[in-house]
Amino acid sequence: QKEVEQNSGPLSVPEGAIASLNCTYSDRVSQSFFWYRQYSGKSPELIMSIYSNGDKEDGRFTAQLNKASQYVSLLIRDSQPSDSATYLCAVNKGEGNAGNMLTFGGGTRLMVKP
Amino acid sequence: ETGVTQTPRHLVMGMTNKKSLKCEQHLGHNAMYWYKQSAKKPLELMFVYSLEERVENNSVPSRFSPECPNSSHLFLHLHTLQPEDSALYLCASSQAPFDRYSNQPQHFGDGTRLSIL
Repeated sequence: QKEVEQNSGPLSVPEGAIASLNCTYSDRVSQSFFWYRQYSGKSPELIMSIYSNGDKEDGRFTAQLNKASQYVSLLIRDSQPSDSATYLCAVNKGEGNAGNMLTFGGGTRLMVKP
Repeated sequence: ETGVTQTPRHLVMGMTNKKSLKCEQHLGHNAMYWYKQSAKKPLELMFVYSLEERVENNSVPSRFSPECPNSSHLFLHLHTLQPEDSALYLCASSQAPFDRYSNQPQHFGDGTRLSIL
């Protein structure tokens, strides 16, 4: 079983719609979760981080975490063509002096059509 | 400009060559990371240096050798690589110790695209 799993997509949504991206993880002790966006040929950039069960909102983005189900999702409201990218789910597996060691999923490619 | 600079951006080398990838961060961080990103595979963590000590070596073959002379610089020395080592190599940095409540994300460089002939 992969440690962090995402549907590779592509997920295609019309402009203005809500895009829903999902991620499951296998290690129950994971405590910190991150969503990164990666445009083609570019480096990953952090979109959201979430540590507690429930929802966390930041502008058009909402991260949702359910530790009992080992599930984390990212909702993008009012999707724009500029949101078209690959979205990477990452799970932290070390804290303290070990820094922020992340395990990444394979990413979901999102396409927002005008 | 991400604050993390990687050089070179592209590298083509033969299997018998020796080369080095360089990463420099200008963010005042004290943890640095090497990742490998292959086509159709997830980002793979290779090495972690935190507070100038190596804290992770994720079963990486010995033909990859990291070096972290100080908290701002990170190198990846390459020798006798294989064709399957062709990939995008990403460097990242963050603050350490990591405290999940202090919002200390990793910042990535733009990567070095490595091709092994």
